[in-house]
Formats: sequence, C-alpha cells, structure tokens
Amino acid sequence: KAGVTQTPRYLIKTRGQQVTLSCSPISGHRSVSWYQQTPGQGLQFLFEYFSETQRNKGNFPGRFSGRQFSNSRSEMNVSTLELGDSALYLCASRGGTFLRDSGANVLTFGAGSRLTVL
Amino acid sequence: AQSVTQLGSHVSVSEGALVLLRCNYSSSVPPYLFWYVQYPNQGLQLLLKYTTGATLVKGINGFEAEFKKSETSFHLTKPSAHMSDAAEYFCAVALSGNTPLVFGKGTRLSVIA
Repeated sequence: KAGVTQTPRYLIKTRGQQVTLSCSPISGHRSVSWYQQTPGQGLQFLFEYFSETQRNKGNFPGRFSGRQFSNSRSEMNVSTLELGDSALYLCASRGGTFLRDSGANVLTFGAGSRLTVL
Repeated sequence: AQSVTQLGSHVSVSEGALVLLRCNYSSSVPPYLFWYVQYPNQGLQLLLKYTTGATLVKGINGFEAEFKKSETSFHLTKPSAHMSDAAEYFCAVALSGNTPLVFGKGTRLSVIA
C-alpha cells in the first residue's frame, strides 16, 4: 500500500511569509504527527492529530499550527516565517486507536518537506 | 518526562566490523523503545522496536538491540557492517501510545571500505 506522502518536497520562502505543508497518511491510519528536524535541535515534536482533533502538542510558538481533515489528510502552517524555521518537516502516521494503549503501533514517516527561509 | 541520550554523534567503522550504537533513556515507567534509520534526503524508517516481552529484539538488515532495564539502555548492534549501512540512526522512546515519540539527537554511521 502507498506510504506517507508529503508535499511539496522542497520550497523556498522569505522571512515574514507563511507556508502550508500537506501530508497524506497511509490508508486507514487516523493518527498524524508532525516533527521538525534541524541539525542543531534534532527531531522535535510539533503536534499529533487523531480523527481531526489535536491530541498532543509540542513546545512551539503559536505561529505553528495544524489541522486534520475527515479523510485523515493533515496540513501544517507556519506564519510569519523566521530564518530559524528552515528545517525538514516530517509527517508520520500510525494505525490503532488513540484511546487504547497503542505504543506498539509504529510511526511510518514520509520523506519530508524541506523548507528554506531566506 | 522521558528523554533519550545517544552517545557519539558520529561513529566510524570498517566494512565487516561490529557496529555498536549506544542509546540510554530516562523514563519513570517501562517505556516503548525504537530505533529508526534515515538515509540522505529521506524520511525515517523503522529498524526495530521493543514494547514488551523478549529483551533482545531483532530488526531489519541484520540489526538487533537489547533492552537492559538495569542499565536503562537500548544499544543497537550489527555483527558485520556493510557499506549500505552508512546513514543516521535515531533512538526514540515513548511512554505509551498516547504520548509522542521523543528522539535522541542521532548518530551518523560511516562505513569505511
């Protein structure tokens, strides 16, 4: 079956602009997580959505937001871009239900969207 | 809160040599543990996971890891390195299915011919 699809793969923006990234999870997966990856900070958790509801949120400013649609596709938005927002943004999906202990469920990652802010 | 420490940001081994990548975690409860690999310009791919049961976990591509509760460690090993193993490796921990994965900073593995 198809994996996690992220679009666009590469994009360049300037400071002050805003950006929207898209993620289509594996068919049947209802949970989508977003991570920011930078050389200095590594992989940092942004947020997780399950059935259109944000279930967990990392420690990022309010400029970072996300949403999930009824078909489980997710978008994240970054407003008023700063140079430090340059990063690889990774989306991951997993199966199982949120209410049950699904720690055994594995995150499957997309290839990422590489954002460069000039 | 849980955290993960990967010792060594860069490890270099000769082809055919043992690969040992170290991971230590801190957690107030028995955690779920994972190793992921990332090749250039790609996302992360699961190598193996520990949830419950047998403490020696076998993964893909000949990798395995052992959960040692007394040492709070989950080191990744492979008996014989191959050139194709050159990549970045991440250890991750989760307390349950309802908490996000927390990743270590990663270890870049280089394999020398």
